[in-house]
Amino acid sequence: AQKITQTQPGMFVQEKEAVTLDCTYDTSDPSYGLFWYKQPSSGEMIFLIYQGSYDQQNATEGRYSLNFQKARKSANLVISASQLGDSAMYFCAISNQAGTALIFGKGTTLSVSS
Amino acid sequence: SQTIHQWPATLVQPVGSPLSLECTVEGTSNPNLYWYRQAAGRGLQLLFYSVGIGQISSEVPQNLSASRPQDRQFILSSKKLLLSDSGFYLCAWVDRGRFQETQYFGPGTRLLVL
Repeated sequence: AQKITQTQPGMFVQEKEAVTLDCTYDTSDPSYGLFWYKQPSSGEMIFLIYQGSYDQQNATEGRYSLNFQKARKSANLVISASQLGDSAMYFCAISNQAGTALIFGKGTTLSVSS
Repeated sequence: SQTIHQWPATLVQPVGSPLSLECTVEGTSNPNLYWYRQAAGRGLQLLFYSVGIGQISSEVPQNLSASRPQDRQFILSSKKLLLSDSGFYLCAWVDRGRFQETQYFGPGTRLLVL
């Protein structure tokens, strides 16, 4: 069964600095997808970035990039030039073997200060 | 563009009362639809998913049920609520376009059972 581990319950960063949120995963499926979502205090889950297991390059979406190390089974999210609006809960997720659902980690709370 | 709606936004219900939460998607046809529950400060737990009208798969045995009476409508129900049913309920749909199996979430319903 798939599993996502996010070991950082909380992270603190100052505006304009970069921050890395850790995510390790466990799966026996050779084909899978990795996702990062942002959940602000309003509760809505906002899709940030996707990495396929066979993608050769690390995914990037604006200020978000994914540091994908397949051999280590890690998929860390890097946020460059942090903004106050980045303060939120961040979840890493992996698609299940059937491709029918996502398995989520417990999340990391990011606090950005001025 | 596609949008997903959920209502109500918040709900306070007594133990033993019935429940009906609704989710609708606009701008797409025959989407996969999902119901997740999030306990306070935790990750998301998949409850049900549907690949088509009348097709429901349950992931967690509980006193909740789901129905899909129309292509873009997904309903979560209960005949008698329990205290443990309190939580944040999120509906999601899958976009098979740019990112394979990426799930996009609605704004959610906060349910408090007293």
